[in-house]
Amino acid sequence: EADIYQTPRYLVIGTGKKITLECSQTMGHDKMYWYQQDPGMELHLIHYSYGVNSTEKGDLSSESTVSRIRTEHFPLTLESARPSHTSQYLCASSEFGTVAYEQYFGPGTRLTVT
Amino acid sequence: QKEVEQDPGPLSVPEGAIVSLNCTYSNSAFQYFMWYRQYSRKGPELLMYTYSSGNKEDGRFTAQVDKSSKYISLFIRDSQPSDSATYLCAMSAGNQFYFGTGTSLTVIP
Repeated sequence: EADIYQTPRYLVIGTGKKITLECSQTMGHDKMYWYQQDPGMELHLIHYSYGVNSTEKGDLSSESTVSRIRTEHFPLTLESARPSHTSQYLCASSEFGTVAYEQYFGPGTRLTVT
Repeated sequence: QKEVEQDPGPLSVPEGAIVSLNCTYSNSAFQYFMWYRQYSRKGPELLMYTYSSGNKEDGRFTAQVDKSSKYISLFIRDSQPSDSATYLCAMSAGNQFYFGTGTSLTVIP
């Protein structure tokens, strides 16, 4: 069982609210990722980090931001939620130096913006 | 054109059947090929990975990669109801990842 946690698991929130999705891992992994997953669609990488104070945007354009102040913590923030942000958000981590096929995924946060 | 194409199914088979799941891709730079299993309301978990071409077997699961055809497969032998899940293929070149849409599989007891 992978030790990567996401909270909340489910969130329903109104348009315009600021939200932060939490992701923590206890494996000491340097690399962390945020993906967006919609039904019938492939996972899209929205942010990744190779270590503390390192963050990059992924392929999918996103209005979210991330931070990496501690190795184990990689929160994702939406400053102003919109219905188009409704989706499943998956956090993942892997060791630095290995090919990242060994990604461990969290259980996901299902976000609904009304 | 998508980097990775995967038939979403759904696929429904009787218990004990052999299941074949497939993906095609367009980027010849992909070197690592992975299969993930995702149960409902859970995150994906890595089942198997293969480097370059060839086969890899792990219990009831066999992964095949044919780089000349840009085609990968996952075979499940003696399928069990517990195999019911969505199976995602994924590929990487360097640190870039590309996932298929997933195939939903149901194994009927």
